[in-house]
Amino acid sequence: AQKVTQAQTEISVVEKEDVTLDCVYETRDTTYYLFWYKQPPSGELVFLIRRNSFDEQNEISGRYSWNFQKSTSSFNFTITASQVVDSAVYFCALSEGVEYGNKLVFGAGTILRVKS
Amino acid sequence: AAGVIQSPRHLIKEKRETATLKCYPIPRHDTVYWYQQGPGQDPQFLISFYEKMQSDKGSIPDRFSAQQFSDYHSELNMSSLELGDSALYFCASSLNSILNEQFFGPGTRLTVL
Repeated sequence: AQKVTQAQTEISVVEKEDVTLDCVYETRDTTYYLFWYKQPPSGELVFLIRRNSFDEQNEISGRYSWNFQKSTSSFNFTITASQVVDSAVYFCALSEGVEYGNKLVFGAGTILRVKS
Repeated sequence: AAGVIQSPRHLIKEKRETATLKCYPIPRHDTVYWYQQGPGQDPQFLISFYEKMQSDKGSIPDRFSAQQFSDYHSELNMSSLELGDSALYFCASSLNSILNEQFFGPGTRLTVL
């Protein structure tokens, strides 16, 4: 069955600190997609990244980086030099193949608070 | 670029009333998903449609129904509203050929009093 676990309920950091958000997933499929979304206080879901199960190449985009490791079923997200505007809830999500409806299954979310 | 449009953005209803939420997908997108996010919760999948047919169903109450119309917009109808239905309702759309790329609308915040 699909399952996404974000063990960190809430993280507080001081501006300019680096912070890593953890995500562990379970899937019955060999083809799947992993996502990170950001939800600021305004409520919208902001897409950050999508990774398919065949692409384990890690990525850096500005202050954001992602570490995908199939061996440990983890898809962690790091913000370097955090800023107050990074304060939000971050969701990791999983989508399996078409035969499973393609719906997104979200983790419980991690609240990130960045203090100035 | 055009995004997913949801209306209304905010809705206040009394218990036992009905509500209709609308979703207008990105032009040429043929698949629509509905998600419900309760306070402090993660979004939960409700139902999806592809080419006007229901394609998958999640934890959607029997009091809720939905459909996708010929112009691909979708409506989520909610009857006999309960306090627990208060939530943020998201619609997402995708193109069937790129199924795993879902674009989310801004959400409709429903408050049931």
